[in-house]
Formats: sequence, structure tokens, C-alpha cells
Amino acid sequence: GDSVTQMEGPVTLSEEAFLTINCTYTATGYPSLFWYVQYPGEGLQLLLKATKADDKGSNKGFEATYRKETTSFHLEKGSVQVSDSAVYFCALWDSNYQLIWGAGTKLIIKP
Amino acid sequence: DVKVTQSSRYLVKRTGEKVFLECVQDMDHENMFWYRQDPGLGLRLIYFSYDVKMKEKGDIPEGYSVSREKKERFSLILESASTNQTSMYLCASSSGTGRRETQYFGPGTRLLVL
Repeated sequence: GDSVTQMEGPVTLSEEAFLTINCTYTATGYPSLFWYVQYPGEGLQLLLKATKADDKGSNKGFEATYRKETTSFHLEKGSVQVSDSAVYFCALWDSNYQLIWGAGTKLIIKP
Repeated sequence: DVKVTQSSRYLVKRTGEKVFLECVQDMDHENMFWYRQDPGLGLRLIYFSYDVKMKEKGDIPEGYSVSREKKERFSLILESASTNQTSMYLCASSSGTGRRETQYFGPGTRLLVL
């Protein structure tokens, strides 16, 4: 079945560092891809999404490009802040109209 | 803004108790979902509902049931709580019949079963 694999965390960076969180997927067809973020003590919220190959989703300085050839949707940010500390989840819609989730990557930004 | 609320942030129950987790959304969404979140496992779908009085099993329905008597409210029921049901429970809702719409999440209920 469809699946999502994320890099294991925690990922610890200093403020203003460049961030990459890897996400690869296995799916039939052409799923829509998502990054959700969970800040401490809060529910998940959509960060960005892409619905077809080569689409780039972006929000709050984060970007991710839907790469069909490498089945990837890596999350990037040029300069992270302490406030970006959170757990990040990659997800896709499968052919049964359900969201398939990665395990989550905890990001810790140190001042 | 869409708001999804859950009845409790933290809950402590004893093995064998019947547990009710309530979720309410205020945006007239058709679709509602219950997930559990465990470290290293991401989110796993327990049950979902696309309409009032309608329910469908997700990936891990065993030991759980749900109720949707009103469009805005979706309840998760643990008939006889067990220690392996200690987890974070997340409710979500989404609009539309396409089933690919953005899901909006509540803050979660952290359940401890002793």
C-alpha cells in the first residue's frame, strides 16, 4: 500500500541555519502531498501542499517541491527561527481518499 | 477561522472504564476524523464519518466505536479502556465531498489509562 517515509528526528539546528527535512513516498497514481506542523501543545495545522508533479508549495518561508521522478517532497527553509521548533509531518492522499502520514520529525532550534 | 474543539486536554482513566472523547467543529464540515498519535508511528486513523449517522472504520478501529448524531459533533468511545490505548487522540474535520480537502485539527486529548 501507499506509504510515507520521513527522516528520523530530532533535528537540532541553530537559529538562522538552513533546514531540510526529507520526505519520500510510495504511491500508485499521482497523490496530493502535504506538510503539516504541530507546535508544542497545539493541534496539527496545514503548512503547505502540492497537488501535481513539479508544483511547489510554500508558506511562512517554508517550501517543498513535488518531485515525481524521485518520489520526494522535501521540506526546506532558508533561515530557521526558534519559533519554528515543532513536529513536522509529511502526508499524502491515497487512492482510498485517506491521508497516509509519515512518523513525524521533531525540529529543535537553539538560539 | 475554523475551530475544532475537544472536550478534554488531559484525561486519566482506569482499565475497564468506558471513556468518551468529544469533538465539535464550528464550520459546518461534512467530514470528521479520529486519529491516535504515538511517537514514531505518526497518525493512525481510527474512524471517520462523511455524514451524520454515518461511520467508516479506519486502520485501527479495534476497541473503539464512534457516534455522530449531529453534524458538528463526533464522539469517540472506548468501550473498555486498556493500557495500550494510552495515547494522544486527535480529532479533525474537513469540508466537501471530494475527500481531499485540508483537514483541520483540534488540540488533542492526551489519555492515560492506568
